[in-house]
Amino acid sequence: AQSVTQLDSQVPVFEEAPVELRCNYSSSVSVYLFWYVQYPNQGLQLLLKYLSGSTLVKGINGFEAEFNKSQTSFHLRKPSVHISDTAEYFCAVLSSSASKIIFGSGTRLSIRP
Amino acid sequence: KAGVTQTPRYLIKTRGQQVTLSCSPISGHRSVSWYQQTPGQGLQFLFEYFSETQRNKGNFPGRFSGRQFSNSRSEMNVSTLELGDSALYLCASSLLDGTDTQYFGPGTRLTVL
Repeated sequence: AQSVTQLDSQVPVFEEAPVELRCNYSSSVSVYLFWYVQYPNQGLQLLLKYLSGSTLVKGINGFEAEFNKSQTSFHLRKPSVHISDTAEYFCAVLSSSASKIIFGSGTRLSIRP
Repeated sequence: KAGVTQTPRYLIKTRGQQVTLSCSPISGHRSVSWYQQTPGQGLQFLFEYFSETQRNKGNFPGRFSGRQFSNSRSEMNVSTLELGDSALYLCASSLLDGTDTQYFGPGTRLTVL
């Protein structure tokens, strides 16, 4: 069965500092991986996704993530965060044999000025 | 292109009642998925419809049901409401399947008293 774990429920960082949000998954088959962002009182928006090919994926708003098959991880990074990045971030996995996406529990990113 | 719309945005019901939520996908999208989001359980997949057929289903009781119309609009129904059904219900549409980008609506906030 597939599952996804977001190791940090909250991550506080200072503005303009780098950030990494961690995501680990488990699946016995090949996977597709996603990061979504949810701003307050809004639905989710796709930041980036990994389907195949290059393991470094670039997304919107300056975010990127690296697929690491050996460590079963898909951590999200941004070199310099802004106040506007304050939101909840969800990692999600879809295995090639499954039919529905599984979401992690979310990481709340708070930016301090 | 208009985004995913959900109506109503907010709803208050009492235990035992039933409720119907509506979702209009992005024009041309044939897949509609529903999710329940709660602070305790996070984002949980309810079901997915494609071309008027339920393609996938999550682990929810039979009180939760849905349907999709020929224009891809979808409704979900919850009968015999319980306090624990209070949640944000999110709808997402995509072109074909789970590997496509899912576009989320703003959600319907259901409160059961």
